[in-house]
Parts: sequence; structure tokens; C-alpha cells
Amino acid sequence: KAGVTQTPRYLIKTRGQQVTLSCSPISGHRSVSWYQQTPGQGLQFLFEYFSETQRNKGNFPGRFSGRQFSNSRSEMNVSTLELGDSALYLCASSLGLVSIEAFFGQGTRLTVV
Amino acid sequence: TQLLEQSPQFLSIQEGENLTVYCNSSSVFSSLQWYRQEPGEGPVLLVTVVTGGEVKKLKRLTFQFGDARKDSSLHITAAQTGDTGLYLCAVGTGTASKLTFGTGTRLQVML
Repeated sequence: KAGVTQTPRYLIKTRGQQVTLSCSPISGHRSVSWYQQTPGQGLQFLFEYFSETQRNKGNFPGRFSGRQFSNSRSEMNVSTLELGDSALYLCASSLGLVSIEAFFGQGTRLTVV
Repeated sequence: TQLLEQSPQFLSIQEGENLTVYCNSSSVFSSLQWYRQEPGEGPVLLVTVVTGGEVKKLKRLTFQFGDARKDSSLHITAAQTGDTGLYLCAVGTGTASKLTFGTGTRLQVML
């Protein structure tokens, strides 16, 4: 079956702009989590959605937000972009409440100039 | 303080050599996962270990979960250039929905 799909793969934005990233989970998976990966901080958890509700949130400013739709697809939005937001943004899907395995998409490489 | 410390941070070896990477913590976990990530791509799940002392094999890769479920190791036998990548251990808080990743081991296998 199809894996996790993230769009776009690459994005260049200017400081101060906002950006929306998209994630389509594996069919049947209801949980979507977002992560930010940078060389200095590694992989860090942003937030997680299950059944259109945010269940967990990492330690990121309010400029980072997300949502999940009824078909489990998810979007994350970053407003007022800063240079430090340049990163690989990864989406992971899992079955849901009792699953212990997550499957990642290829990521969106965001560059803020 | 990192929840999961991986060692070594970098490893460069010749094809055919054996290697072991470690993932250590002072906390006890109900399960632990290993991922491999290639540049510009997302992490790919290699294995999940759940029982203390458990050993799992995936071709030339052997994964072990510590008896006390605080640490894990990944051993690669006869490394190949295709094993090159970033190896990450990760633990979840009960589910896979919120994973905490280790610091990572970057492996380069040369011809």
C-alpha cells in the first residue's frame, strides 16, 4: 500500500512569510505526527493529531500550528517565518491510540532566506 | 540532558567490517525502535523491540534490547556501502504518536 506522502518536497520562502505543508498518511492510519529535523537539534516532536484533534504538542512557539481533516490528511503551518525555521519537516503516521510503530514520509525541505 | 544518547556519533569503516552502535538511557522504556535515514529522506523503520533481552535479526543487522529495557544495540555484520546512513533509536510515550529520538549515529561505509 502507499506510504506517507508529503508535499511539497522542497520549498524556499522569505523571512516573514508563512508556509503550509501537507501530509497524507498511510491508508487506515488515523494518527499523524509532525517533526522538525535540524543539524543542531536533531529530530524534535512538533505535534500530533488523532481524529482531527491535537493530542500532543512539543515545545515550539505558537507560530507553528497544524490541523487534521476528516480523511486523516494533515497540514502544518508556520507563520512569520524566521531563518531558524529552515529544516526538514517530517510527517509520521501510525494506526492510532495503541500503535507503537510510526512510518515517516520523505519530508519537506524548507529553506528560509 | 538527552533522554537517549547514541554512540558513537560518527563512524567511518571499510566495506566488510563489523560494527556496533549503542543507544543508552537512564530511563526504562516499554519499547524501542531503530530507524535508518538517508540524506534528504525520512527515517525508515528497521525494527521495534519490546521485551527485555530481546534479540531481533534483519539480514546482517542484529538488534538487542537491554535486559533492563534502558538500552539497545545495533550490530551490523560485514557492512556494505548500502548501509551508509544516519541510524536513530527512538522511544514513544506509550504509543508511536510522540517519539523521542536519540542523538543519532552517522555511519559511512567505504569501498
